[in-house]
Amino acid sequence: DAGVIQSPRHEVTEMGQEVTLRCKPISGHNSLFWYRQTMMRGLELLIYFNNNVPIDDSGMPEDRFSAKMPNASFSTLKIQPSEPRDSAVYFCASSFLAGPTDTQYFGPGTRLTVL
Amino acid sequence: SQQGEEDPQALSIQEGENATMNCSYKTSINNLQWYRQNSGRGLVHLILIRSNEREKHSGRLRVTLDTSKKSSSLLITASRAADTASYFCATDASNTDKLIFGTGTRLQVFP
Repeated sequence: DAGVIQSPRHEVTEMGQEVTLRCKPISGHNSLFWYRQTMMRGLELLIYFNNNVPIDDSGMPEDRFSAKMPNASFSTLKIQPSEPRDSAVYFCASSFLAGPTDTQYFGPGTRLTVL
Repeated sequence: SQQGEEDPQALSIQEGENATMNCSYKTSINNLQWYRQNSGRGLVHLILIRSNEREKHSGRLRVTLDTSKKSSSLLITASRAADTASYFCATDASNTDKLIFGTGTRLQVFP
């Protein structure tokens, strides 16, 4: 299994531009999580999906952030418009939930720099 | 606020020594997990301990859980330079599928 795949691995953009991060979860997993990691705030859960349905988006910082999961094998996190404070590493993780919270498998992350 | 807080924030040891990291959390849990993050990489699951377990081993890793004190410890025995990484505990928020990660312990193992 290739594991969780994220693209791009690095993204440098200018303030005001739209940024789209992509994630392919592990085949067969039914839950997908988007996290943001910064030195100041650590690892924050932004949103998670179960069976392609958004369950909890309370961690999404503001309306500039949106996430979709059109099918079981693909998800996007979009920032529009981007701001310098959005600079961070964004991780996607997936898991197979059959009961209480179980192991999550993380992708390599996308390092976003907004100038 | 963070559910889990690791202690210490940073730890430096020599190869061969044991490394102990602690995690405290605030609310009741179903399970607690430990993850490792190498620099520039994603988190990797190490071990999961359920709330009805007190101790668990996996290779050189030993995890304990004390639900009465709401704390857990991760012991790495006979450390190696390759163990250099950040280590995070993660707990499940009650009645949700979310994992709440702690602030992490940065471990440096010198050859």
